[in-house]
Amino acid sequence: DIQMTQSPSTLSASVGDRVTITCRASQSISNWLAWYQQKPGKAPKLLIYKASSLESGVPSRFSGSGSGTEFTLTISSLQPDDFATYYCQQYSSYPWTFGQGTKVEIK
Amino acid sequence: QVQLQESGPGLVKPSETLSLTCAVSGGSISSYYWSWIRQPPGKGLEWIGYIYYSGSTNYNPSLKSRVTISFDTSKNQFSLKLSSVTAADTAVYYCAATTSGYTSGWHGYWGQGTLVTVSS
Repeated sequence: DIQMTQSPSTLSASVGDRVTITCRASQSISNWLAWYQQKPGKAPKLLIYKASSLESGVPSRFSGSGSGTEFTLTISSLQPDDFATYYCQQYSSYPWTFGQGTKVEIK
Repeated sequence: QVQLQESGPGLVKPSETLSLTCAVSGGSISSYYWSWIRQPPGKGLEWIGYIYYSGSTNYNPSLKSRVTISFDTSKNQFSLKLSSVTAADTAVYYCAATTSGYTSGWHGYWGQGTLVTVSS
């Protein structure tokens, strides 16, 4: 299985901050990576697919980059609605696997 | 716009079979893989498997011996059966519509999730 490792596990930030979350794959996954946002008690929501393609309706302050084994999710200016847990997911090979999550907290 | 709704028992006894159904509305059946994903309380996400409308399936090897996913096209719903459950199978179970295709695999639409507790 491909292991996905996110860092940091928890991130404390303020409204307006630029936030970057890293996701590393245990082997190359090209750009077959997605990012999700999950709020407590809710289902995950797709933000980014193919490493950098923004899902329709997702604010442009979210962006993704990377290829191979290292990827980043960036929030250019953190908004109150963005405090949540973020997961990366690879779909390069089966079984599809997720990172362990990064919780973005209010500083 | 695809909408998904899980249903099924919220409590299952150890060693029995967990059975859930996901009702699908909107979207084209052939455009997606129909997936199940679970999340133990306070933990991360685990992909269980998917079924395509053709009937082909793909399961996580860690669960493969216990999992069956099936599709009922007449009712526009798909189902999950997980046999011989233990407390480790306690989780919120989500159904999802996963973009299909050779270079695809992202879960664009999700149900609200249903908590299944394994306990006697």
